Amino acid sequence: QVQLVESGGGVVQPGRSLRLSCEASGFTFSNHAMQWVRQAPGKGLEWVAGVSSDGTNKFYADSVQGRFTISRDNSKNTLYLQIYSLRTEDTAVYHCAREARGTCIDYWGQGTLVTVSS
Amino acid sequence: AIRMTQSPSSFSASTGDRVTITCRANQDISTSLAWYQQKPGKAPNLLIYAASTLQSGVPSRFSGSGSGTDFTLTISCLQSEDFATYYCQQYYTYPLMFGQGTKVEIK
Repeated sequence: QVQLVESGGGVVQPGRSLRLSCEASGFTFSNHAMQWVRQAPGKGLEWVAGVSSDGTNKFYADSVQGRFTISRDNSKNTLYLQIYSLRTEDTAVYHCAREARGTCIDYWGQGTLVTVSS
Repeated sequence: AIRMTQSPSSFSASTGDRVTITCRANQDISTSLAWYQQKPGKAPNLLIYAASTLQSGVPSRFSGSGSGTDFTLTISCLQSEDFATYYCQQYYTYPLMFGQGTKVEIK
């Protein structure tokens, strides 16, 4: 079955950097575009970044453009999100998600919590 | 960016009720719309895609309709396990956008 397992979250000071990882299994990772979606405590879902199946095309929300970098290693079935210059408003659960071919997100990981606090 | 607006933001209902949630896009997205259900502390779960196609394994009491800019999610007979928050999402173009969510609470 499809599994997406995020890691790398934690408590981080403002201005620091962090790299999140998402290990995928149960499907052919290299066939699917992948997304990162976050959810601040008590708030709704916010899409932050997406990457095409081959890693060539990358997309970002305006709110994170220039500070977040999405990447993937298809040989390791792993998706990454590098976050620079963390802000308190980046505090959220970060979900890795699989895009069904050419359509919507069909599977989500449980998420990893990032808390930005001094 | 395409903006998605859901209504209402929350409401109370009883088991057995028929409920409808509305989602509006600020520009034409054809049928590139999905609905998700999220329960506290859990990841979202895909219910409907392509505006009206039921995801495998989702009960048939859930249905979706609409195209262009106006969409609805209907639960024909609310069950106890349906009390949750529901989100619409457009995938017509990047940036992907979610509605703000609709929380369905027990009356």
